[in-house]
Amino acid sequence: AQSVTQLGSHVSVSEGALVLLRCNYSSSVPPYLFWYVQYPNQGLQLLLKYTTGATLVKGINGFEAEFKKSETSFHLTKPSAHMSDAAEYFCAVTLRGNTPLVFGKGTRLSVIA
Amino acid sequence: GAGVSQSPRYKVAKRGQDVALRCDPISGHVSLFWYQQALGQGPEFLTYFQNEAQLDKSGLPSDRFFAERPEGSVSTLKIQRTQQEDSAVYLCASSPTRRQALSYNEQFFGPGTRLTVL
Repeated sequence: AQSVTQLGSHVSVSEGALVLLRCNYSSSVPPYLFWYVQYPNQGLQLLLKYTTGATLVKGINGFEAEFKKSETSFHLTKPSAHMSDAAEYFCAVTLRGNTPLVFGKGTRLSVIA
Repeated sequence: GAGVSQSPRYKVAKRGQDVALRCDPISGHVSLFWYQQALGQGPEFLTYFQNEAQLDKSGLPSDRFFAERPEGSVSTLKIQRTQQEDSAVYLCASSPTRRQALSYNEQFFGPGTRLTVL
């Protein structure tokens, strides 16, 4: 069975600073990995995904993540935080397309002016 | 085109009442998923369909929970005799098949239904 651990339930950064949200996964086979963002009272929006191929993936809003098999990690980064990045971020894993996602508990990102 | 829609957006029920939550997936999407998100937690899988077939219902927390998708499009999640621990946001997601789109391994989420059981 797969699982996801997100280190840090709350991360606070200054506007313009680097954003780093950590995600480690457990999977018996090469996984598909996703980062979703959730704004208050809204559903989940896909930021980026890794399925196969290049291990550094770029997503929307300037975010990117790197799949590191040896570290079983898929950390999310953004070089410069913007106030609009304040939201809840979820890392998720699945074994293949069109199957249920297993989510981490989420990390709330706060951006300080 | 239109995204995934869910209704109602908010539902308040008295303990013991039955509720029905509706999900309208993106037109043509074959797969449909239901998740439960408790306050301050990540979404947890409940059940999913491929067309009208329910392929996995292992996440349903009790036999009070029932989901259907009779014509392979709209889905309804029904909760009988609601209890306070059922209070959560219920999220629906849909995804296309490989033949339909390169985004077949992505799930597109609706805004959710916030259920409060008093």
